[in-house]
Amino acid sequence: QQQVKQSPQSLIVQKGGIPIINCAYENTAFDYFPWYQQFPGKGPALLIAIRPDVSEKKEGRFTISFNKSAKQFSLHIMDSQPGDSATYFCAASIAQGGSEKLVFGKGTKLTVNP
Amino acid sequence: DTGVSQNPRHKITKRGQNVTFRCDPISEHNRLYWYRQTLGQGPEFLTYFQNEAQLEKSRLLSDRFSAERPKGSFSTLEIQRTEQGDSAMYLCASSVGQGSTEKLFFGSGTQLSVL
Repeated sequence: QQQVKQSPQSLIVQKGGIPIINCAYENTAFDYFPWYQQFPGKGPALLIAIRPDVSEKKEGRFTISFNKSAKQFSLHIMDSQPGDSATYFCAASIAQGGSEKLVFGKGTKLTVNP
Repeated sequence: DTGVSQNPRHKITKRGQNVTFRCDPISEHNRLYWYRQTLGQGPEFLTYFQNEAQLEKSRLLSDRFSAERPKGSFSTLEIQRTEQGDSAMYLCASSVGQGSTEKLFFGSGTQLSVL
């Protein structure tokens, strides 16, 4: 059972473009939604996270949009750069459940061409 | 380097052998997590510790897997009688804080290949 569905599997944009990665979840008990960035040979690194009491959160060039009724959330990367080329994972957890037991999506491989 | 440290970075073993991985969390992080990541997939939760107590184990963690965190510092993950299906990246993460303030910091992982 895949609790967090992520799309697309891969994405290619030109420098300056705005890639958008989408995720949908099933468990309405989830109340914490982080995005992680992973470069080859490295572990995932937390980019930005949101709780369902807000519809949008922005940190630098990264923005999360959250739609609680649709059980969907998405990551937007403004003014994308070649250095943003990486695999991005959405995740979800029950933050008040006592542990950071994250359920991850399958990932989106982003390529930003110069 | 004050990040999460994992050793070894790579391990190649023959089926049936035992392997052990080590994770050194960020100093003073009281929670430590193990995740497993296979090619093309997101990490999957295996187990976690709060200090030295192992509080939760995933159904993915068969009886061949055991994890310890003596004295609440570093942790080890042992796989006995390895199988080819155990081939994966084993990620360790540590955190401080609780609930929505908790942030996980991952190590670079141990890539296991079982021949």
